[in-house]
Amino acid sequence: GQNIDQPTEMTATEGAIVQINCTYQTSGFNGLFWYQQHAGEAPTFLSYNVLDGLEEKGRFSSFLSRSKGYSYLLLKELQMKDSASYLCAVRDITDSWGKLQFGAGTQVVVTP
Amino acid sequence: DAGVTQSPTHLIKTRGQHVTLRCSPISGHKSVSWYQQVLGQGPQFIFQYYEKEERGRGNFPDRFSARQFPNYSSELNVNALLLGDSALYLCASSLSDRGIEETQYFGPGTRLLVL
Repeated sequence: GQNIDQPTEMTATEGAIVQINCTYQTSGFNGLFWYQQHAGEAPTFLSYNVLDGLEEKGRFSSFLSRSKGYSYLLLKELQMKDSASYLCAVRDITDSWGKLQFGAGTQVVVTP
Repeated sequence: DAGVTQSPTHLIKTRGQHVTLRCSPISGHKSVSWYQQVLGQGPQFIFQYYEKEERGRGNFPDRFSARQFPNYSSELNVNALLLGDSALYLCASSLSDRGIEETQYFGPGTRLLVL
C-alpha cells in the first residue's frame, strides 16, 4: 500500500510564491504527477517527474527526490486564477499498469 | 483535437438502481482509466483498461464493472447503487502505459447523485 500526504490548505497573496509539499510511501514507484483541479471541474495535468530533480514549466516547477519520497510543486507569480486544488499523484506499478494513487489535494487560496 | 468526453454530465438515481457511464478517449489513446472522486478527496482508482484488456482494479466491490470497446471507448457500470456511490466519476485516457506517454488526461466527469 502507500500513503500520499499533502497539506490541506494554503493561502498566499497575488504575485507571491507558494510551495506545496507532497510525501509518499510506495512499493512500486514509477513517476509522480501534479494536477490542478478547479471546483467542479476535472483535474488538468501540470507536471511529471520520474527522475530526481527539478522540472520547470513557466510559472510552475516540480521537484522530486525519490530517496526521500518527497516532491514539491512551486507556483510563482501567483494569479487569482491559480486558486484551485492541487493534487499530487503517484504512479504505482505494483499491482497494475498506470494506476495513479492521489493525495487528498491541497486547496490553494490566492488573495488580492 | 477533442479531449476526453464523458456522458452523461449529471445523473440522479435511487438506491438499488444501476447506472452506465460512458467515456471516449482522446483520439489515438488506447488506455482508459476510471476514478471515483468524493467531495473533498482525491480521485480513487477503480479500473484501468489497455487495448481492451483489464490491467488493474482498485478496491471497489463487484458491483462495479467496466469494459473497453474496439474503438477504445469505455463504459463503467455500477449495480445496486448505494447512497455512498454518490460522487464524481472521472475517466482518464493515455497513449499507453510507458514513460511520458502514460500521462493521463481527464474528462469532465459524470456527477452521480444517489437518493
